This record gives sequence, C-alpha cells and structure tokens, in this order.
Amino acid sequence: DADVTQTPRNRITKTGKRIMLECSQTKGHDRMYWYRQDPGLGLRLIYYSFDVKDINKGEISDGYSVSRQAQAKFSLSLESAIPNQTALYFCATSGGPGASTDTQYFGPGTRLTVL
Amino acid sequence: QKEVEQNSGPLSVPEGAIASLNCTYSDRGSQSFFWYRQYSGKSPELIMFIYSNGDKEDGRFTAQLNKASQYVSLLIRDSQPSDSATYLCAVLNDYKLSFGAGTTVTVRA
Repeated sequence: DADVTQTPRNRITKTGKRIMLECSQTKGHDRMYWYRQDPGLGLRLIYYSFDVKDINKGEISDGYSVSRQAQAKFSLSLESAIPNQTALYFCATSGGPGASTDTQYFGPGTRLTVL
Repeated sequence: QKEVEQNSGPLSVPEGAIASLNCTYSDRGSQSFFWYRQYSGKSPELIMFIYSNGDKEDGRFTAQLNKASQYVSLLIRDSQPSDSATYLCAVLNDYKLSFGAGTTVTVRA
C-alpha cells in the first residue's frame, strides 16, 4: 500500500461549491504539507503542519483552510471554489523515525477542476 | 526575483549523453537542497539531496553544490529514455521547501 494517499484523485466541481481534499499517511511522519502545482509555476506551498496542534500558512493560503485531524491525516478545504483554483494538488510528509526530517515524500496528487 | 530558478527547458539530449540541469537560489542561508523527478501527471519523487559543498554521486546522478555561488546542479550520465521527465530543484528554508518551476528533459533514442 502507498505510504501517502490522497482522496479523491480527480474531482470536477462548480464555482462556489465547498470541496475537501484528504491526505493520509502511514509513514509515521510528524510534518505534513499541502501544495498546488500549476503549469510553469512549479509547486507552491498552501499550508503546512508540524504536529496536530501546529498549523501554518504557506505562500498561497488565501481561499483555503486545513484541518489536522490526527498525526496521519491532513485535510485541505476550499470553502467556495473558484476557477483559478483549478490545479494539481499534492500532499507531502516529512520527519519521522528513521527518516531525514528534511526530505518530503509526496502523495499521488488530486486533479481538481473548478468550472 | 524568484527564490529558486532553474534553466529553462526543454532540454533534449541523445541517449547515452550527459544531461546537465542548473538551479540558483536567492537565500544565502539555505542549507539543504533537493532534486525531484516528476513524470507527466505523477507526483514528484526524490532523486537525491545534498547539504555540503562539492559533489554527491548516486548511480548515474551527480548533484553539485556551490553555496558561495548559490548554485546547485544535477548531472545525469548515460541518459536513458526513462529519464525523460521534469526535474524539480527544491531548497529548504525554515523547514519549508521552495521549488523551481522545473526543467523538462527529453532523451532521444
């Protein structure tokens, strides 16, 4: 089984809808991250969490919120989706027993389309 | 100025040749540097990381770091068609990664 899973893998929604993307990991890592990827712009950090009680904004947090339900689960919500949030979203984890705390490992991604 | 800049692609190399990828970063205090490979529609996967000035080799891949010049590079020797992908340079600051836009490499058979 994959160490970092994301659901759903693909989602098409309409403007104004609330969307939740979920991330789960079995790597035992403390740190979790949400990125979005747009063509030509690379990966940009939305939110990150170093433990269950620690949530931090990244460079592009406007329009997004997150919830760290447990060490292994980190969800990203779009309260009212808009078309320019159409992108590929990745969850990543780092920092755990036997692993470099710096190296991030990515989930398979969620392709979100907002019409 | 972007925090992390990579040489614009796409880069096309013949099979068996060396592919050379470059990356510069703006924060002189950066300590950790990563190269990820990303196939189209897939997630980034770590190729290697480097912390110290100099070269680090792992199989056909060599990362080179020059902190004085704020420059990190990746060499792919004996390029194979399976190396065709986008390569992302990432720099760690305050426990957060900043990524370059990526360089797309195509290896011609």
